[in-house]
Amino acid sequence: GAVVSQHPSRVICKSGTSVKIECRSLDFQATTMFWYRQFPKQSLMLMATSNEGSKATYEQGVEKDKFLINHASLTLSTLTVTSAHPEDSSFYICSARSHAGVRHTDTQYFGPGTRLTVL
Amino acid sequence: GQQLNQSPQSMFIQEGEDVSMNCTSSSIFNTWLWYKQDPGEGPVLLIALYKAGELTSNGRLTAQFGITRKDSFLNISASIPSDVGIYFCAGRRTSGSRLTFGEGTQLTVNP
Repeated sequence: GAVVSQHPSRVICKSGTSVKIECRSLDFQATTMFWYRQFPKQSLMLMATSNEGSKATYEQGVEKDKFLINHASLTLSTLTVTSAHPEDSSFYICSARSHAGVRHTDTQYFGPGTRLTVL
Repeated sequence: GQQLNQSPQSMFIQEGEDVSMNCTSSSIFNTWLWYKQDPGEGPVLLIALYKAGELTSNGRLTAQFGITRKDSFLNISASIPSDVGIYFCAGRRTSGSRLTFGEGTQLTVNP
């Protein structure tokens, strides 16, 4: 299956600092990438959808100035949590969708996730 | 919010038993995906379904896209301890629209 990587896998930071998480599609080009947040024992919650070269679309209740998303290429999207606070501690998972013409079009593949802990 | 009803919420079974879980919706979906998530990991795609009535297998896993396009089930035959994890169904209404997730089924397999 298609491979999506995320870096870092774990990060611990102090309150007030910013953290950048990278998401890469390794063996396919992803026109669209997604960022999810997951709390313990819950399902995935979509935060934003990003299309290469355009601004991300944020879900209701997600602060776009706090969670900065950049989708600079067809294989890379980044999520920056700005001025992180303890309540931002969570498991962040990116996902990439292959574009038309690729096997399993319209299928989403997930990264391994990033565990963010804000002290 | 979540619009897929996934059941059961959790299952405790003995190794070797078969498992069945399903997702239902009040809306029509044109894509159904089943994922497994291990603790501390991202979801891994198990089976993708694109056509109503489609029955697809992946090893001991079999999933079907319901004829009404409002439901899907996942079966696991002859379960083994490494099947432990959370299984999520996900549906997409139209091409390009966002995925809607079920709440997940926590599977525990006792050796």
